[in-house]
Amino acid sequence: AQTVTQSQPEMSVQEAETVTLSCTYDTSENNYYLFWYKQPPSRQMILVIRQEAYKQQNATENRFSVNFQKAAKSFSLKISDSQLGDTAMYFCAFTTTNYGGSQGNLIFGKGTKLSVKP
Amino acid sequence: GAVVSQHPSWVICKSGTSVKIECRSLDFQATTMFWYRQFPKQSLMLMATSNEGSKATYEQGVEKDKFLINHASLTLSTLTVTSAHPEDSSFYICSARGDYRDTQYFGPGTRLTVL
Repeated sequence: AQTVTQSQPEMSVQEAETVTLSCTYDTSENNYYLFWYKQPPSRQMILVIRQEAYKQQNATENRFSVNFQKAAKSFSLKISDSQLGDTAMYFCAFTTTNYGGSQGNLIFGKGTKLSVKP
Repeated sequence: GAVVSQHPSWVICKSGTSVKIECRSLDFQATTMFWYRQFPKQSLMLMATSNEGSKATYEQGVEKDKFLINHASLTLSTLTVTSAHPEDSSFYICSARGDYRDTQYFGPGTRLTVL
């Protein structure tokens, strides 16, 4: 079975500091996509960053970057220069590229609640 | 980024009535749309997947006669909660995807309260 595990239910960080959220996953597939979504108090799910498994280079989006370790099945999110607006629930998610099978359903972790403190 | 709208954002209804929730992809064609349910402080639970013009595929444990899904066009999917009861009260979120390689983009969600 494919699973996504986020081992940190809650984390906090001071404004302007750096924080890393952990995510591990389990799959026997070789081709897949990994995502980090954030869900602020408004509850709108927002894509933060996406990584294709076949790419060795870690994805980056401004202050957000990932450390993708395919062999270890690890996909952590680093937030640099944390801002108050980063306060949200962060979900790690995984999908395969096997269209004919799972239809590319997203498998979510349980989430990490991040609080950025002034 | 791609925009997905959802309507209504909040609905209150009486027990036994039906409620329809619309999900629209505003600036792209969504081959596949997904419907999720989210309980407070929990992750998203996939209810069903729908492809345009086809019957929806429901996850195990989701009653297809209670949660009717229609994906009649490449930009619109609807979820109808039939004969709603208080236990159906929840936050319902849709997402849309262009093709299987694409990212899922999410609507803002609908809070359903059944009295």
